[in-house]
Amino acid sequence: GEDVEQSLFLSVREGDSSVINCTYTDSSSTYLYWYKQEPGAGLQLLTYIFSNMDMKQDQRLTVLLNKKDKHLSLRIADTQTGDSAIYFCAEGTSSGGSYIPTFGRGTSLIVHP
Amino acid sequence: DSGVTQTPKHLITATGQRVTLRCSPRSGDLSVYWYQQSLDQGLQFLIQYYNGEERAKGNILERFSAQQFPDLHSELNLSSLELGDSALYFCASSVEGRGQTNEKLFFGSGTQLSVL
Repeated sequence: GEDVEQSLFLSVREGDSSVINCTYTDSSSTYLYWYKQEPGAGLQLLTYIFSNMDMKQDQRLTVLLNKKDKHLSLRIADTQTGDSAIYFCAEGTSSGGSYIPTFGRGTSLIVHP
Repeated sequence: DSGVTQTPKHLITATGQRVTLRCSPRSGDLSVYWYQQSLDQGLQFLIQYYNGEERAKGNILERFSAQQFPDLHSELNLSSLELGDSALYFCASSVEGRGQTNEKLFFGSGTQLSVL
C-alpha cells in the first residue's frame, strides 16, 4: 500500500470549516507537511509540524497530529472559494542520508458558494 | 512565485524520442529534487542532487537520468520515451538536503510532457 494516504475529494460550503485527513506509515518521520497545489502551478508549502507537537495553528490553518495513530489533519477555518485546490500531505522519509518528502495523492478541496 | 524556474512548460514528442527538462533552483538553494506527477501514480520522487552530486534516488527508470551543473541548475533527461511517460514533471529546490530533517521544498510550475 501507499506510504501516505488521503481521501481524494472534499466538498464544503463557503464559510464552513474544512478538515482534510491523512495517514502515514513511517514512525520515524520527524516533520510532516501540508502542501497546496493550485491549477497550473507547483506545490506550495502551507505549513508543517514537528513530530513532538500535537497541534500547530497558523491563522486559519490548524494542524493536528496523532503520532500514535499516525494520523495528520489540516483544518481550514472559514473556507473561501480561493481555498479550492489540491492539498497534499507529506512525511519526511529517510533515503540515503536525506529526508525526502513522500507525498500522498492529494485531496481536491472544492468550495462552493 | 516560488523562485524555481522550469523550462519548457509544455513538451510534445513522439514515442522513442529523447527530451531534456531544465530546472533553475531558487537563488542560494543547493539541492534539487525531481518528481513525476501522474494520475495513476500520484507524485513520485525520482532523484535528488545536492551541490552537484547525486544524493538520493527514488523510482527513477533506467531510461531517465539527471545531473546538476556547477551553477546548480539541473537537467532531467528522458530517453526512449513511452506513452506512459506522459506526466507533469516537477523540479523543487531546498536550501540544504544533506539529511536535515526539515526539508522545505519550493516547487517550480512543472513541465507537462505529452508522448504521442
